[in-house]
Amino acid sequence: DGGITQSPKYLFRKEGQNVTLSCEQNLNHDAMYWYRQDPGQGLRLIYYSQIVNDFQKGDIAEGYSVSREKKESFPLTVTSAQKNPTAFYLCASSQRDLNNEQFFGPGTRLTVL
Amino acid sequence: DAKTTQPNSMESNEEEPVHLPCNHSTISGTDYIHWYRQLPSQGPEYVIHGLTSNVNNRMASLAIAEDRKSSTLILHRATLRDAAVYYCILRRLSSGSARQLTFGSGTQLTVLP
Repeated sequence: DGGITQSPKYLFRKEGQNVTLSCEQNLNHDAMYWYRQDPGQGLRLIYYSQIVNDFQKGDIAEGYSVSREKKESFPLTVTSAQKNPTAFYLCASSQRDLNNEQFFGPGTRLTVL
Repeated sequence: DAKTTQPNSMESNEEEPVHLPCNHSTISGTDYIHWYRQLPSQGPEYVIHGLTSNVNNRMASLAIAEDRKSSTLILHRATLRDAAVYYCILRRLSSGSARQLTFGSGTQLTVLP
């Protein structure tokens, strides 16, 4: 089955630690995205990548980093510089055409203690 | 990007039609209207999109006003599984390389048995 996987579903970390969230897709999509969602809010874009070895900052990139070494993988690192890292993190992918739908993964709920 | 305005919440009875409104009075000629929905603790799911003409697919219908300043997502027969937050999103064709979706707060749809 084609789709997007994110792991783990729940993640707990101590304050001051970096943590990397995994996102893998087997849809052969060129574009991948990371969003953050806080309770009762819509999604906000962190980073996106339209092609391997290229990525751009979204609206709230500070305190986050990404890499895109493979087409199917787009890991997100939440660094200790991120002031409020506790949130629901969603990864998505799409074909490069502007109006193709985005396919979302199940999300990772990160809690920093 | 142009803004959208949606009611915070709506209720519907099971097996009845639901009309979810969206106002986008500052829409430009190159803005597509997209709808996504998000079930609790899941990633958003694409529902439908359109530009000027009304659109139908297996999930829903999209009715677009003649002046394009508003649109309505129509679920023909609501089921309990349709209870979700519904997001109306505008995507500008002329935004260059930007492919992200800009989410507002959406409409929380409650379906009553």
